[in-house]
Amino acid sequence: AAGVIQSPRHLIKEKRETATLKCYPIPRHDTVYWYQQGPGQDPQFLISFYEKMQSDKGSIPDRFSAQQFSDYHSELNMSSLELGDSALYFCASSPGKRATDTQYFGPGTRLTVL
Amino acid sequence: GNSVTQMEGPVTLSEEAFLTINCTYTATGYPSLFWYVQYPGEGLQLLLKATKADDKGSNKGFEATYRKETTSFHLEKGSVQVSDSAVYFCALSRALTGGGNKLTFGTGTQLKVEL
Repeated sequence: AAGVIQSPRHLIKEKRETATLKCYPIPRHDTVYWYQQGPGQDPQFLISFYEKMQSDKGSIPDRFSAQQFSDYHSELNMSSLELGDSALYFCASSPGKRATDTQYFGPGTRLTVL
Repeated sequence: GNSVTQMEGPVTLSEEAFLTINCTYTATGYPSLFWYVQYPGEGLQLLLKATKADDKGSNKGFEATYRKETTSFHLEKGSVQVSDSAVYFCALSRALTGGGNKLTFGTGTQLKVEL
């Protein structure tokens, strides 16, 4: 079965650079979520989109922005990178907008900021 | 607000031992409850879920029952294997008015199973 695809899988950037993470949801899933997971931490919700509109925003820095495109893929743009942005970034998708809908996670993008 | 509390790890067991990982939650309304598992270097995989009180989720020998009276969703397995070594996250979800749902995770419990 098709899964959530994230690219790149690994990314190394310098401080103050920008990074773009991409997420391709499972086909026919119209909801996308972004999470940040620091070392030894639980995933922290950043932002979500339903039908290409932002549906909720969590603890996402103003330096980050995201959008969902007409083909439902999503991109997380991160500017003025800081050392503390080093983390695993997960994208998840779900088939609908109910609380009972399962979120399916991608393999993650490991971002390292030097 | 919503929150999830899990027992701290690491939990170390011998193969074939019985596993319990405690999870309790605080939430308004009737959230759905999930257990996700994360193997080293990988993403989160859904292990099981329950969407209403007294529902039992089960998968791969793991079980958890949604107990509204004790606000708990403890994970159990009768006989663990070395391959079960991973980090287990308990989570609850609530619907978002804008569409989709929001997951709130516990801090995760690392399980190590030894021969």
